[in-house]
Amino acid sequence: NAGVTQTPKFQVLKTGQSMTLQCAQDMNHNSMYWYRQDPGMGLRLIYYSASEGTTDKGEVPNGYNVSRLNKREFSLRLESAAPSQTSVYFCASRETGMDPQHFGDGTRLSIL
Amino acid sequence: LAKTTQPISMDSYEGQEVNITCSHNNIATNDYITWYQQFPSQGPRFIIQGYKTKVTNEVASLFIPADRKSSTLSLPRVSLSDTAVYYCLVGDMGSGGYNKLIFGAGTRLAVHP
Repeated sequence: NAGVTQTPKFQVLKTGQSMTLQCAQDMNHNSMYWYRQDPGMGLRLIYYSASEGTTDKGEVPNGYNVSRLNKREFSLRLESAAPSQTSVYFCASRETGMDPQHFGDGTRLSIL
Repeated sequence: LAKTTQPISMDSYEGQEVNITCSHNNIATNDYITWYQQFPSQGPRFIIQGYKTKVTNEVASLFIPADRKSSTLSLPRVSLSDTAVYYCLVGDMGSGGYNKLIFGAGTRLAVHP
């Protein structure tokens, strides 16, 4: 059982380049999330999708776009990468009600 | 949103019981308390969740006093593999509330031989 799978695991970009981070879950969960985690910090919510076909902004959405491609997949796009977006990006999913979030192992993104 | 406060770091030794306390003075009636564990280079992992009194699972116990203004995560007989960051989250776990949960900086637990 793979759970939440994120690709790629590592990526280095130059300022201004674009990039899509992929996330897929095999637990048939309704909700999916994208977080970023800066060194020594907690996670901050970028965007979330409460159900297939819906997306909403989280705490730090600027500079990002998302697509809920289907129930399994939720992608995060950086249209014009900036050094301030250097971070570790985590995707998570959950069912509804009291179910906790299940996280992937992250994508480590460096922008030069 | 209920703000949480927890120690930045803690140290312990193998075999000891570790208690990490989280303060959440403005917890709301519908809010639950959830703890996650994060190892280096991994995503957070759910440990335990509770509303009041005591909850126990195979990994930890969660103690919540009657006023619910704080909670304590208890890890029995820790080992080196329990070295991680522990996050306390408080919020309404309904369909809308989970989208508003805030991960603070957490508590860095270091377990020594």
